[in-house]
Amino acid sequence: SAVISQKPSRDICQRGTSLTIQCQVDSQVTMMFWYRQQPGQSLTLIATANQGSEATYESGFVIDKFPISRPNLTFSTLTVSNMSPEDSSIYLCSVGQGVYNEQFFGPGTRLTVL
Amino acid sequence: GDSVTQMEGPVTLSEEAFLTINCTYTATGYPSLFWYVQYPGEGLQLLLKATKADDKGSNKGFEATYRKETTSFHLEKGSVQVSDSAVYFCALSNAGNNRKLIWGLGTSLAVNP
Repeated sequence: SAVISQKPSRDICQRGTSLTIQCQVDSQVTMMFWYRQQPGQSLTLIATANQGSEATYESGFVIDKFPISRPNLTFSTLTVSNMSPEDSSIYLCSVGQGVYNEQFFGPGTRLTVL
Repeated sequence: GDSVTQMEGPVTLSEEAFLTINCTYTATGYPSLFWYVQYPGEGLQLLLKATKADDKGSNKGFEATYRKETTSFHLEKGSVQVSDSAVYFCALSNAGNNRKLIWGLGTSLAVNP
């Protein structure tokens, strides 16, 4: 399975600022995913980021708020823009492998917006 | 659309007790089914999977059998340990849904010594 790291592991940010979260994988992967997980809740898919194409956003998420880059097969970034306290959450990246899309997750970024 | 329903938690057990966490699904076609585990303060880990009917996934003493007739994928362990305390998520992926993972709400398990 792929080994995935995320930076930063946590951050406290002021309202109105932006934070870029990095996701690094130790092998080349086609499919990467970004999720949000509110405390004590399940995962919500933000977008799918495949290398060489624009990210595909889920309903309720827009590129202006959550721009994503996928410059190569081992790296992706998610930016949370113009943050508000409602954006406080854990942000997780994952990679999909195999025909059944087994997903392997990074450790997450815990974001608090004041 | 596709969906996953898990039993609500929290579930509290004593060490060495038998564990069942129920998971049922709704999906067209033949989805693949997964259990993920999230230990306190950590990311999600794939615990086990099953990709076709009657498959049994197993790992770390946990098992789940893909039952198409009952559309279920219940997680079981014969003797839980304190270290099994975590949140468990059932999920499915379906070719008809671009293989996106559809998640259950998670079931929190606390095992007391």
